Amino acid sequence: GDSVTQTEGQVALSEEDFLTIHCNYSASGYPALFWYVQYPGEGPQFLFRASRDKEKGSSRGFEATYNKEATSFHLQKASVQESDSAVYYCALSDRGGRALIFGTGTTVSVSP
Amino acid sequence: DPKIIQKPKYLVAVTGSEKILICEQYLGHNAMYWYRQSAKKPLEFMFSYSYQKLMDNQTASSRFQPQSSKKNHLDLQITALKPDDSATYFCASSQADWGGYAEQFFGPGTRLTVL
Repeated sequence: GDSVTQTEGQVALSEEDFLTIHCNYSASGYPALFWYVQYPGEGPQFLFRASRDKEKGSSRGFEATYNKEATSFHLQKASVQESDSAVYYCALSDRGGRALIFGTGTTVSVSP
Repeated sequence: DPKIIQKPKYLVAVTGSEKILICEQYLGHNAMYWYRQSAKKPLEFMFSYSYQKLMDNQTASSRFQPQSSKKNHLDLQITALKPDDSATYFCASSQADWGGYAEQFFGPGTRLTVL
């Protein structure tokens, strides 16, 4: 079945550091790709999506580019803040956005 | 005001019992979902409903039954509870814009503990 792999389980950074979280997917079709963020005690929140090759999604300074050849959708942010501390999930859907398949999540901790 | 309400926030049950998790959304959406998150597994899709009809079911067990009594309600009935059912259950909703990959909005979750 379809799956999403996030390489980093935990990332520890200082403010103004550059963030990269690697996301690779495996799917039989041509899925849409998403990034969600989850804060403690809350449900996941949508960050952005991309639905075709080379499309860039972005929000709140975060961005990722759909790479069909590399089957990747890596999340980046140039300068993180303490408020970016959260769990980040990469996800895919090949059913028009209905059934999201999530990766295992990456916990980002940013210290001042 | 919260746009997606899940009740209760915490739930403790004994093995073999039955519980119903409540979800109401006030976003005007016509698609609703259930997901599960446990320590052992990441966020896991369970069901999707559109216009109160089941669209997708990724749950192998018939012990999990969604119930949609109103357009903005999607409850989850769980029977014959097992300790492995212990998890946080998230309800979500979106516009039924299949192909447009509409954003899903998640509720705060119900944390279920089965003893």
